[in-house]
Amino acid sequence: DGGITQSPKYLFRKEGQNVTLSCEQNLNHDAMYWYRQDPGQGLRLIYYSQIVNDFQKGDIAEGYSVSREKKESFPLTVTSAQKNPTAFYLCASREASPSNQPQHFGDGTRLSIL
Amino acid sequence: AQSVTQPDIHITVSEGASLELRCNYSYGATPYLFWYVQSPGQGLQLLLKYFSGDTLVQGIKGFEAEFKRSQSSFNLRKPSVHWSDAAEYFCAVGPYYGGATNKLIFGTGTLLAVQP
Repeated sequence: DGGITQSPKYLFRKEGQNVTLSCEQNLNHDAMYWYRQDPGQGLRLIYYSQIVNDFQKGDIAEGYSVSREKKESFPLTVTSAQKNPTAFYLCASREASPSNQPQHFGDGTRLSIL
Repeated sequence: AQSVTQPDIHITVSEGASLELRCNYSYGATPYLFWYVQSPGQGLQLLLKYFSGDTLVQGIKGFEAEFKRSQSSFNLRKPSVHWSDAAEYFCAVGPYYGGATNKLIFGTGTLLAVQP
């Protein structure tokens, strides 16, 4: 079955440590997205990518980094510069066209601070 | 600026009762509108979407939504709620920037509880 796989499901970060969240899709979608979800705040866009080797900052990119070396993969690194990383992280993807295509989501990664 | 408001943070309904979840948006043109559902610890699942045409759209799991341009609303409805509908529901607006971005703006969600 086609879908979006996020791993790990749970992740713990020590102070000063960078951690990387994986997102893989086999839907052949061009566009991919990373969101952060905090209680009562909905979803906030961290980074997005429309094509391989290209990505743009979203609304809350500070303290995060991404890469898009392959169409199917869009890993997110939470750096030590992100002072409040505890949240639920969601990856999404969509077909590039037509522009009204909905986003499809993975099952998320919950990141906590040790 | 584009925005989405879900006025109800938490709603409790009895099983078998009807349901309406409110969504209001602010946008300069006809937006793309979506409703998603999220079970605890899971990702978001698309319930339905509106782009154009018939203002009453049908979705999965027996849900429907009606686009009302005059009220800037896109409320989600279900005639008879099942216990398995307990989840968090998100309304989203998709501005169209003329490219492939399709950035979505999400509401803060409505948490639905179902009483037996």
